[in-house]
Amino acid sequence: DTAVSQTPKYLVTQMGNDKSIKCEQNLGHDTMYWYKQDSKKFLKIMFSYNNKELIINETVPNRFSPKSPDKAHLNLHINSLELGDSAVYFCASSQEQAGGYEQFFGPGTRLTVL
Amino acid sequence: TQLLEQSPQFLSIQEGENLTVYCNSSSVFSSLQWYRQEPGEGPVLLVTVVTGGEVKKLKRLTFQFGDARKDSSLHITAAQPGDTGLYLCAGDGDSNYQLIWGAGTKLIIKP
Repeated sequence: DTAVSQTPKYLVTQMGNDKSIKCEQNLGHDTMYWYKQDSKKFLKIMFSYNNKELIINETVPNRFSPKSPDKAHLNLHINSLELGDSAVYFCASSQEQAGGYEQFFGPGTRLTVL
Repeated sequence: TQLLEQSPQFLSIQEGENLTVYCNSSSVFSSLQWYRQEPGEGPVLLVTVVTGGEVKKLKRLTFQFGDARKDSSLHITAAQPGDTGLYLCAGDGDSNYQLIWGAGTKLIIKP
């Protein structure tokens, strides 16, 4: 069974369109994240939710809006897509434990904006 | 602002050679994690180091946490093509739930 799943795996769209990426985790974790990984492979945190509450909201354009309907799901909606939004978007989840917390990542969604 | 610097950024070596990847900061971290990411997949945790001076071994991989908990290293002995991937270090950030990520070391092991 997949621990953290994302859909779609690939997303190709035109500039100006609105798109959503969905994420689900079946690990029972309280915290979920969205990351953006650019062409240089740098992993940048965008948002984090803990028990459906937004706890990390990094400096990202307000065209990006996360939504957590329950603690197992965290979706990302992007309005008015721009060329610079092209990247791989990763969803992750974690559960705090002694000695830190491991983050479990989904397979990524490769977004290409034309 | 906490930062983690990884070096080298890119390393391409022959199978059987040894290598070391470094993760350095001027900040103290309560723990530090190493992840490996293969093409088309998300990062996967290899190890977490918590105690200053700690050494952990995972088969041919040896991870060390600096005494002052500001730096870490990953040493691979007799590298194999299966070790190819992007190696990322990440430290516990100031705020709960957030990891500070290094930029990664892209490692290629040639047969």
